[in-house]
Order: sequence, then structure tokens, then C-alpha cells
Amino acid sequence: AQSVTQLDSQVPVFEEAPVELRCNYSSSVSVYLFWYVQYPNQGLQLLLKYLSGSTLVKSINGFEAEFNKSQTSFHLRKPSVHISDTAEYFCAVTSNGGYQKVTFGTGTKLQVIP
Amino acid sequence: GAGVSQSPRYKVAKRGQDVALRCDPISGHVSLFWYQQALGQGPEFLTYFQNEAQLDKSGLPSDRFFAERPEGSVSTLKIQRTQQEDSAVYLCASSPGQGGGYTFGSGTRLTVV
Repeated sequence: AQSVTQLDSQVPVFEEAPVELRCNYSSSVSVYLFWYVQYPNQGLQLLLKYLSGSTLVKSINGFEAEFNKSQTSFHLRKPSVHISDTAEYFCAVTSNGGYQKVTFGTGTKLQVIP
Repeated sequence: GAGVSQSPRYKVAKRGQDVALRCDPISGHVSLFWYQQALGQGPEFLTYFQNEAQLDKSGLPSDRFFAERPEGSVSTLKIQRTQQEDSAVYLCASSPGQGGGYTFGSGTRLTVV
């Protein structure tokens, strides 16, 4: 079985400030890790993913996440947020192998304050 | 198509009514998933198809929920005798295979009154 914990349900941050959204996972096997973003009244969009190789992965809009196996974490960071980053962010995990049943966290609402 | 298409976008059903939600995945995607997202929660797995075969339905909350994908493409999630607790956004996602990550549709928001 696998699980994802997102400890922060809401994170307010001022525009142009840095942000970190925390994610910890639990799994008995090797994993793939994902961050999805959901804008209001929209579906989930894949932001970035870790499959293998470099533990630091980046998105096209400035977000990055680092896979830390020893701490079972996959925190999402951005050095300077924009108003347009206001959304809900979901961390997700699936086992490395099998058919990829993905388990999601409960989400973190990022609110960027002008 | 270019993305995963779900219809209807919104559905209001009276308690006890049957509903059918449609998902049209990305062409060629072998894997198809249904998730339920309650208000303020993360998506919860319902069921998984590989082509036309339903390989995992362990997340379906009751026998009122039924899903099919008869030709390995379009899928339908059917809910019989809807209850208020069925109110949620139902998300469909498709994937080409291992490690690719999902592409989600915009979802169907079901409200049972």
C-alpha cells in the first residue's frame, strides 16, 4: 500500500516571495512521484514528475521538486511566486511497476497575495 | 482527440435517479482511470481499465457504481439510484503506459439533490 501526506492544507504567500509545499510519501516499493496543479473549476494538470535519474526535476513555469528517498519526501518549491500560481497543488505517488494506480494527497491551496 | 474529454460537464440528479458519465480518452491511450474528488479532497481512485479489460475496481464505493469500456476507447461510469453522498467531481484520466503520468479530463461535477 502507498500513501501521500500533504501537511499544509493552505499556504498564503506574498507575490515574488519563495514558497515550499511539503509532500511525504509512504510505500514499500520503488515509486514514481508527481505534482499536479488544479486551477478553479478545472481538471488536474501534470506539473512535474520524478521517474528515475536526477532527483531534482523542474517544470516549465519555474517550479522544482526534489526526490529525497531517505526522507521519503518530494517537496515542491518556487523561488518567486506569481499571482497566476494561485491554485491547488496535489502530490501523488505510484509504484514503479504494475499499472500505475496513483494515490493522491489531500492537496495544498496556494494563495498568492498581491 | 488532443485531450481527455468528459461529458456532461455538470449534472444535477434527483436522489434515486440513475446517471451516466462519459469519458473520451486520448486516442491510443491504453490505460483509463476514474477518480472521485469530493469537495476539498484529493482524487480517490475508483477503477482502472487496460484497453477493454477492467483490471481493478477496488475503489468503487458500492455496487451502485458500474464502469465499462467495451471497445477499449470511450468509457462510461454509471451510478444507479444516486444518493447525496455521491455528489462529487468525477475525473477521468488516460495514460499511454508505464511512467507517463496521467492526462486528466476537466471532470463531471455531479450534484445529487
